[in-house]
Amino acid sequence: GAVVSQHPSRVICKSGTSVKIECRSLDFQATTMFWYRQFPKQSLMLMATSNEGSKATYEQGVEKDKFLINHASLTLSTLTVTSAHPEDSSFYICSARPDYSGGPYNEQFFGPGTRLTVL
Amino acid sequence: KQEVTQIPAALSVPEGENLVLNCSFTDSAIYNLQWFRQDPGKGLTSLLLIQSSQREQTSGRLNASLDKSSGRSTLYIAASQPGDSATYLCAVRQLGYSTLTFGKGTMLLVSP
Repeated sequence: GAVVSQHPSRVICKSGTSVKIECRSLDFQATTMFWYRQFPKQSLMLMATSNEGSKATYEQGVEKDKFLINHASLTLSTLTVTSAHPEDSSFYICSARPDYSGGPYNEQFFGPGTRLTVL
Repeated sequence: KQEVTQIPAALSVPEGENLVLNCSFTDSAIYNLQWFRQDPGKGLTSLLLIQSSQREQTSGRLNASLDKSSGRSTLYIAASQPGDSATYLCAVRQLGYSTLTFGKGTMLLVSP
């Protein structure tokens, strides 16, 4: 199957600093990528849909100025948590849907996740 | 609004048993349904993808079925092994949407 990578896998930062998480599709192009967060023993919560070359679409309740998303190329999307606070500590997972034929019927592939801890 | 429910929330079985995980969804207008596996502290691994026009998909010891009209899917695991222990998530992609809607998952423990 297609591979999605995330970097870093784990990050610890001080309150008030910003953290950038990268999501890459390694062997396919993806116009659309997705960012999720997951709290312990909870399911995934969609934060935003990232579209290459255009602004991200944020879900209700997600602060777009706090969670900056940039989809600069067909293989890279970044999520920057600005002025991080302890309540932002969570597991962040990205996913991508390949652009090859099949369109909306293509499956989504997920990255390994990034564990963010804000002290 | 699409809602996805998974039953049971947790399941514990001895090694070798065949088992069934259930997923139901409220809106049958979907592109497809995916089953995922998540190990603790890890990302999601896609197990099976069933298109809306399909009834089932098989991969090794896994078989997933889809009854779109009734809004149900099952994941059948044959001859379970301790390595199957993980959380299994079901997700649907609704027509007209680019995103997946997830269930809360079934936490499976297979004991030796």
